[in-house]
Amino acid sequence: GAVVSQHPSWVICKSGTSVKIECRSLDFQATTMFWYRQFPKQSLMLMATSNEGSKATYEQGVEKDKFLINHASLTLSTLTVTSAHPEDSSFYICSATAVIRETQYFGPGTRLLVL
Amino acid sequence: DQQVKQNSPSLSVQEGRISILNCDYTNSMFDYFLWYKKYPAEGPTFLISISSIKDKNEDGRFTVFLNKSAKHLSLHIVPSQPGDSAVYFCAATWIQGAQKLVFGQGTRLTINP
Repeated sequence: GAVVSQHPSWVICKSGTSVKIECRSLDFQATTMFWYRQFPKQSLMLMATSNEGSKATYEQGVEKDKFLINHASLTLSTLTVTSAHPEDSSFYICSATAVIRETQYFGPGTRLLVL
Repeated sequence: DQQVKQNSPSLSVQEGRISILNCDYTNSMFDYFLWYKKYPAEGPTFLISISSIKDKNEDGRFTVFLNKSAKHLSLHIVPSQPGDSAVYFCAATWIQGAQKLVFGQGTRLTINP
């Protein structure tokens, strides 16, 4: 199957700092990438949908100024958590898809801990 | 508002037996359903999917059944193997939904030797 990578796999940061997470599709061009967040023992919640070259579409309740998404190329999307706070600590997962209705391939996730 | 629900947070099954994971949904617009398997600290891995025009899809040991009238789907794994122990998520999407996936809460499956 298609491979999606995320970097870093885990990060610990101080409150108030910004953290950037990268999501790459390694062997296919991703027309659409998705960012999810998962709190412990809860479902994956979609945060935003990003299409290459256009602004991301955020889900209701997700602050676009706090979670900056850039999809600069067909193989790379980044999520920047700005001015991170302890409540932002979570498991962030990206997924990528090549064509409409194609299966989403998920990255391994990034665990963020904000102290 | 939880549109996709997995009401069993955990399930324990003997190796070799059948595992049945259930999922209910409320949104009638959903027309495509998927099952993902997830290990701790990893991203979900696609297992099997089903379109709303079908009521069954089979792939090796995995079979997904869809009952549209009941808004219910289930994943059958037979025979269950120790490597199947993981968290299983069902997800739903719809043709107008821009590929968005709505996930259930997940069911932790444990296969006992």
